Amino acid sequence: AQKVTQAQTEISVVEKEDVTLDCVYETRDTTYYLFWYKQPPSGELVFLIRRNSFDEQNEISGRYSWNFQKSTSSFNFTITASQVVDSAVYFCALRAGSYQLTFGKGTKLSVIP
Amino acid sequence: ETGVTQTPRHLVMGMTNKKSLKCEQHLGHNAMYWYKQSAKKPLELMFVYSLEERVENNSVPSRFSPECPNSSHLFLHLHTLQPEDSALYLCASSQDFQGAYEQYFGPGTRLTVT
Repeated sequence: AQKVTQAQTEISVVEKEDVTLDCVYETRDTTYYLFWYKQPPSGELVFLIRRNSFDEQNEISGRYSWNFQKSTSSFNFTITASQVVDSAVYFCALRAGSYQLTFGKGTKLSVIP
Repeated sequence: ETGVTQTPRHLVMGMTNKKSLKCEQHLGHNAMYWYKQSAKKPLELMFVYSLEERVENNSVPSRFSPECPNSSHLFLHLHTLQPEDSALYLCASSQDFQGAYEQYFGPGTRLTVT
């Protein structure tokens, strides 16, 4: 069975602070994919990144970076110099074995000006 | 341009009503999905369609009835709902349901059952 745990339910930071959102996953499959989505107050989930299990290179995209560590089954997401527009709920998701995405419960990030 | 649109954005219905949710994708994708998002719960996959064929029905009660007339449109027909069905219903599409293609989501329909 697949499982995604986002232990942080809510995080508040002051603008310009760095923040890391944690994601821990469980799967017995050796081939799998990890995703991060952002859900702003408008409702739609916005795709941020996909990472496959064979690629452990960290990724940076502007102020966003992702740290994938198979040894700890983690795929953490860091926002550098946070901005108010980063306020949203962030979901980590896993796809393994089937075509279904298993989502975590999400982390609500509030960036205070 | 928004890739996936959903209407209505908000819906209030009584338990005896019949209503339908509509989703349209403008991305040329072959797969479409319905998800239910309830407070404090992970997103729940309800239905998956690939080229108008249903490929997944995740033990969803029969009071939810999907319809996919073509690869761009997806409906969710609602009948005799319960208050616990109140949630945000999200539609998504992807290039294919197999392979690790990212899914693109619509803004959702906020459903309240009274």
